[in-house]
Amino acid sequence: EDQVTQSPEALRLQEGESSSLNCSYTVSGLRGLFWYRQDPGKGPEFLFTLYSAGEEKEKERLKATLTKKESFLHITAPKPEDSATYLCAVRMNTGFQKLVFGTGTRLLVSP
Amino acid sequence: NAGVTQTPKFQVLKTGQSMTLQCAQDMNHNSMYWYRQDPGMGLRLIYYSASEGTTDKGEVPNGYNVSRLNKREFSLRLESAAPSQTSVYFCASSEVRATGETQYFGPGTRLLVL
Repeated sequence: EDQVTQSPEALRLQEGESSSLNCSYTVSGLRGLFWYRQDPGKGPEFLFTLYSAGEEKEKERLKATLTKKESFLHITAPKPEDSATYLCAVRMNTGFQKLVFGTGTRLLVSP
Repeated sequence: NAGVTQTPKFQVLKTGQSMTLQCAQDMNHNSMYWYRQDPGMGLRLIYYSASEGTTDKGEVPNGYNVSRLNKREFSLRLESAAPSQTSVYFCASSEVRATGETQYFGPGTRLLVL
């Protein structure tokens, strides 16, 4: 069964305390892995798309990496405004438009 | 650019009532989607439209219908609402560039079915 699992479910950090969020997947062929940020009461905001193992992308304090079985979202020296739920989604090779989402990691960064 | 807009923002329905959720995008994207988001579950695809004039079922299409009115607009209709359809509904559109695919989501419609 195609599955996307995110861990941890929730993470609390002090401002400046770097950490990583995990997204592991078991899908029949990967056509892209997506990271989104979602603030309470709002729609997901696109962050990154990764396509192949070894690929990395960066945006400000965020860096996404991809292996054959998982992706990591590294947060370097986070600030309180980085507090949000981070969603991972995988587009599979079968079913053109099927995008399987994880349940997200809730990140809280305290001052 | 307004991006992806959705109306209404909130709605309360009684079981059996019908309603249409509206979505529009001003980015000239071909592909549009409807998702629902429920607590403890990932976003799930209801219907999608790869281009104007085409629509296809997603993961959870039962109880819903869609219309791709034109390239900009993609509506979702609940013909006879049920409590199980209480959820937050998101519309999205996507484009593919040389750097990869990007999906843009609307702000969501919060629906409560009593």
